[in-house]
Amino acid sequence: DAKTTQPPSMDCAEGRAANLPCNHSTISGNEYVYWYRQIHSQGPQYIIHGLKNNETNEMASLIITEDRKSSTLILPHATLRDTAVYYCIVRASSSGSARQLTFGSGTQLTVLP
Amino acid sequence: NAGVTQTPKFRVLKTGQSMTLLCAQDMNHEYMYWYRQDPGMGLRLIHYSVGEGTTAKGEVPDGYNVSRLKKQNFLLGLESAAPSQTSVYFCASSRGQARLYEQYFGPGTRLTVT
Repeated sequence: DAKTTQPPSMDCAEGRAANLPCNHSTISGNEYVYWYRQIHSQGPQYIIHGLKNNETNEMASLIITEDRKSSTLILPHATLRDTAVYYCIVRASSSGSARQLTFGSGTQLTVLP
Repeated sequence: NAGVTQTPKFRVLKTGQSMTLLCAQDMNHEYMYWYRQDPGMGLRLIHYSVGEGTTAKGEVPDGYNVSRLKKQNFLLGLESAAPSQTSVYFCASSRGQARLYEQYFGPGTRLTVT
């Protein structure tokens, strides 16, 4: 699985867009980029995933560069409830057997009032 | 939809006691998982199931047993609890092979073994 690199922490003003970067320069052609977050003392929460096209859902947008070596998760209007650790994970969609999610250290996003 | 629910939310056990953690999902997902999360250790997969009646070992299966008698339920058992099993336990589910890493988590069970 490709290694990912994320900044350890970021701040964002409430109501502004939060842009969280992730570097995955060794990503393979069949590997997807997944984003999760974990709010303190809660279970991890799936946000979005993509292969090469930009993706958007009700929670966020995912922008993947054309060379697929990096991506950005965008929370368009951050709220205080978006304060969490955000994890970028790279995985092939099918490995032949169920495999665990392995979170790195992630980015601690703090939304400021 | 309630999504993934876990029972109980908190539990304190004495060493050697047994207990069962219950996970239920109402999304008709095929795959279910049990993880533990310790401070600074990240998520570690204990056991998982790819369908009703099937179970498989994950990364840290020792000291735990599981059962998946019904598609919507996945039980995690501790037969003889040890202090090393103090942790937060998360259950998760996913649709199947094509959505393997789109996993939906429960709120967790905080277990303390004294």
